[in-house]
Amino acid sequence: AQKITQTQPGMFVQEKEAVTLDCTYDTSDQSYGLFWYKQPSSGEMIFLIYQGSYDEQNATEGRYSLNFQKARKSANLVISASQLGDSAMYFCARTNFGNEKLTFGTGTRLTIIP
Amino acid sequence: AAGVIQSPRHLIKEKRETATLKCYPIPRHDTVYWYQQGPGQDPQFLISFYEKMQSDKGSIPDRFSAQQFSDYHSELNMSSLELGDSALYFCASTSGGHYEQYFGPGTRLTVT
Repeated sequence: AQKITQTQPGMFVQEKEAVTLDCTYDTSDQSYGLFWYKQPSSGEMIFLIYQGSYDEQNATEGRYSLNFQKARKSANLVISASQLGDSAMYFCARTNFGNEKLTFGTGTRLTIIP
Repeated sequence: AAGVIQSPRHLIKEKRETATLKCYPIPRHDTVYWYQQGPGQDPQFLISFYEKMQSDKGSIPDRFSAQQFSDYHSELNMSSLELGDSALYFCASTSGGHYEQYFGPGTRLTVT
């Protein structure tokens, strides 16, 4: 199975600090995509950021950036200047190109402290 | 911008009953995915459709079936419901050539 590992079940971060959420993945494929989703307590799944395995530059979307280290098979999410509204569950996920179902990690619950 | 619509948002059923969940993808999205998220779990892929044809199948029980219609909306039919079917059911959509899947708000199914 193509496993996604998120080793931090929970994190507490002071407001306005940067935070890094870890994600590592198994793969024997050359072509794949990596994603981060945010799930607030209300339950919806919000797409944050995407990185393709062939992308040479790390993806960025506003305050979100993805620290992609292909050789180490890691795709950590960095949130800059954290806000109270960032408190949520964060899931790392991947797809294989040509088989686009998402496989999720177990998630990290992030709590931002005022 | 239009988002994925799911109905109903909440559903309470008794054991052995049937349920139908509906999903309306973002306009011009041709691919629909269904995921099941149990309490405290990560979402698990159930089934997907591309251009009204089943494109992939995951850990979907035989009691469940799904289809995508000519207007691209999709329905997940669940029969002989069990307590373990209680979960949040997500539909996600995407368009050909894009990899980002956009999720609907989910249908919370409670089986009593």
